Amino acid sequence: QKEVEQNSGPLSVPEGAIASLNCTYSDRGSQSFFWYRQYSGKSPELIMSIYSNGDKEDGRFTAQLNKASQYVSLLIRDSQPSDSATYLCAVNGGADGLTFGKGTHLIIQP
Amino acid sequence: DAGVTQSPTHLIKTRGQHVTLRCSPISGHKSVSWYQQVLGQGPQFIFQYYEKEERGRGNFPDRFSARQFPNYSSELNVNALLLGDSALYLCASSLDAGGSYEQYFGPGTRLTVT
Repeated sequence: QKEVEQNSGPLSVPEGAIASLNCTYSDRGSQSFFWYRQYSGKSPELIMSIYSNGDKEDGRFTAQLNKASQYVSLLIRDSQPSDSATYLCAVNGGADGLTFGKGTHLIIQP
Repeated sequence: DAGVTQSPTHLIKTRGQHVTLRCSPISGHKSVSWYQQVLGQGPQFIFQYYEKEERGRGNFPDRFSARQFPNYSSELNVNALLLGDSALYLCASSLDAGGSYEQYFGPGTRLTVT
């Protein structure tokens, strides 16, 4: 059974600092990885996708993938209070749909 | 551009009843997936449909069923509701059913079973 593990937090980061969110996955054959942001009471919002080893940057967000270590991370630079949310790591299993971790609750302290 | 839409937003049902949830994907997207999210957990995969065919099914009982229509909209049906079916039901659309395609979620339907 495919598993995705995340530290549930809460992870508390001062405003303006870098928030680092981590995720590990069990299926070595996985090819597609996604980060979603979910505000309380809302649905998940896609913020990053990554398919190849290395870094992918989009604005203040950087996703990092290491397939050998089965590890995905998300860095948020210059963290803002509006970044406070639950961040969900997901791995796409094709016909098996997305497998999600439980999410990391991030709190940005003003 | 309109995103994924779902109806209804909220629903309260009694144990043993049946419920139908609806989803319209982003224009041009041909694949719809359904997920169940309970409080404190990540979404769990229920079904994936592409071109009106079921492409994948998660570990849910036969009380759960779905279908996709020619216009790519979809319905999720749940029979004989149990208290444990109370959750946020999410629909996600993607261009295609392949594993590399990004999935975009609708606002969800909050189902409460009493």
